Amino acid sequence: DTAVSQTPKYLVTQMGNDKSIKCEQNLGHDTMYWYKQDSKKFLKIMFSYNNKELIINETVPNRFSPKSPDKAHLNLHINSLELGDSAVYFCASSLVQWGRGTEAFFGQGTRLTVV
Amino acid sequence: GESVGLHLPTLSVQEGDNSIINCAYSNSASDYFIWYKQESGKGPQFIIDIRSNMDKRQGQRVTVLLNKTVKHLSLQIAATQPGDSAVYFCAENSPGAGGTSYGKLTFGQGTILTVHP
Repeated sequence: DTAVSQTPKYLVTQMGNDKSIKCEQNLGHDTMYWYKQDSKKFLKIMFSYNNKELIINETVPNRFSPKSPDKAHLNLHINSLELGDSAVYFCASSLVQWGRGTEAFFGQGTRLTVV
Repeated sequence: GESVGLHLPTLSVQEGDNSIINCAYSNSASDYFIWYKQESGKGPQFIIDIRSNMDKRQGQRVTVLLNKTVKHLSLQIAATQPGDSAVYFCAENSPGAGGTSYGKLTFGQGTILTVHP
């Protein structure tokens, strides 16, 4: 009954490869996010989708392409992987209420290592 | 004690002591704030939240204080336990542009809390 689940948990790949990370939430939330956590534990938002529509894109390189087939899923595809892409990627979801922020629920993270 | 610099701030306490973790936020228009706990190998977990129309909110062993004048948030943990050892993040919700509801949750730097038995 995991609320926000992402796969895989670990991903090791070579530079130049293309890879995808999948995320699903069963909370009935409208909004989903991708965050990147670097080696210093800094968490930075990458994308936000609301009901399959992109609403936040934080100047992420266009090698990163999120895809939301429905509001319960937000996948992250990364082309031409670079060493600097190594990080932990977190998917999250929240129930957006008009004019009121709400908490985001996070998945367990995907540790991406580019070699 | 606390230390800042190139590494995450750290706070070391003895079991049973009270802990106070501080956070400075950046956007005076932020209207909602959350404290998250992140244990090793896991995603951030919600601890407590507070809206900008309040200055204090209490949970079971935790209290969040909000000082909007100086854009400061703190998390107080009473009777800290070894299980409280983790990285703690504050997050602020900035309202969306153009009056939309789609705000952005921005995280602070994080503080490593270590509780010694």
